[in-house]
Amino acid sequence: EVQLVQSGVEVKEPGQSLKISCKGSGYTFTSYWIAWVRQMPGKGLEWMGIIYPGDSDTRYSPSFQGQVTISADKSFSTAYLQWSSLRASDTAMYYCARPAAAGSPYWYFDLWGRGTLVTVSS
Amino acid sequence: DIQMTQSPSTLSASVGDRVTITCRASQSIDNGLAWYQQKPGKAPKLLIYKASSLESGVPSRFSGSGSGTEFTLTISSLQPDDFATYYCQQYNTYYTFGQGTKLQIK
Repeated sequence: EVQLVQSGVEVKEPGQSLKISCKGSGYTFTSYWIAWVRQMPGKGLEWMGIIYPGDSDTRYSPSFQGQVTISADKSFSTAYLQWSSLRASDTAMYYCARPAAAGSPYWYFDLWGRGTLVTVSS
Repeated sequence: DIQMTQSPSTLSASVGDRVTITCRASQSIDNGLAWYQQKPGKAPKLLIYKASSLESGVPSRFSGSGSGTEFTLTISSLQPDDFATYYCQQYNTYYTFGQGTKLQIK
């Protein structure tokens, strides 16, 4: 089965670091870009950035550049989203998603993970 | 950056109604537009891609149209399962989502 499996719920305090994951299976992980999408409580979808696991080429939305780091480990077919110092405003659901076209960074998303809920609170 | 303006933000309708949601791009995106449906606590689900192509398995009561800067999603006869939030997304240049339309029962 083609799927993206995300890591579980995280509860952190402000200032802490965090790395969440998204593991692809059922397809050639290195052939498709993986995007990250934020959804703050009760709000809409925001594209954060995208990575090509084949060569780790990474592109960020200007809104998120410098705020997060996207990486991938093709040995584990896993993409990551990390923060060095969390803020309360990072509280959100984070989805990974795959563009439908192999090799294309900008295409519609036909595959989504179920999301990782991150709560940042003191 | 390309901005996507989606309207209305909320839409009240009844089962059997025909409804239309509009999405406008701040500049031409050709047909690089997708529509997603999202239910509470769930990931978005792809409905329409390339502005008017129906994703496999999506009921034919969903349809999309438009090109350039103006796009619409139409549900021809609302079913109980259709009450959800809908998002447009441009993927012509980077990605931008519309603000969402919550479709609720009248």
